[in-house]
Amino acid sequence: RKEVEQDPGPFNVPEGATVAFNCTYSNSASQSFFWYRQDCRKEPKLLMSVYSSGNEDGRFTAQLNRASQYISLLIRDSKLSDSATYLCVVNNAGNMLTFGGGTRLMVKP
Amino acid sequence: GAGVSQSPSNKVTEKGKDVELRCDPISGHTALYWYRQSLGQGLEFLIYFQGNSAPDKSGLPSDRFSAERTGGSVSTLTIQRTQQEDSAVYLCASSLADPNQFFGPGTRLTVL
Repeated sequence: RKEVEQDPGPFNVPEGATVAFNCTYSNSASQSFFWYRQDCRKEPKLLMSVYSSGNEDGRFTAQLNRASQYISLLIRDSKLSDSATYLCVVNNAGNMLTFGGGTRLMVKP
Repeated sequence: GAGVSQSPSNKVTEKGKDVELRCDPISGHTALYWYRQSLGQGLEFLIYFQGNSAPDKSGLPSDRFSAERTGGSVSTLTIQRTQQEDSAVYLCASSLADPNQFFGPGTRLTVL
């Protein structure tokens, strides 16, 4: 079983739609959590951290459920520019990150 | 400010040759990481440096792979006797004393 699991997609949604991605992690001792975004043939970039209380950054909302070892990302009012692969990332110890395989989002006009 | 830089951006080599990939981290970042990403796949951790030492080499796939970091800054990843399965994008990232990693643009390695 992979340490961080994501549905690879692709998720094809129209502009303006709301879309949600989920991620599960296997290590109950995981300490911190992130979503990274990776555009086609580009490097990953931090999108947002995920806090236990849930957090929002504009159209993006991230939530963490430690009991279920589950992380989510909600994107409201999807834009064409949101098309990318979204990587669920877990920090277990020190500064080491474990990356999920990514969920691909395609927003269509 | 300057981000993480990597060179070369693309490298095409013949099977059996050695290659050297370079990473320049963000100035002042003490931690440096190497990953590789095969086409359509997730990131595979290779090695981590804290300063000049490598406390975690667990991700290096074989003894053909080695890495060093000198002066707490530039790092090189060396692949000896390259094989076709080594073809991938090799990504370097750096960070301060927290998990937020900043990635370079990667080196796309093609082994013919």
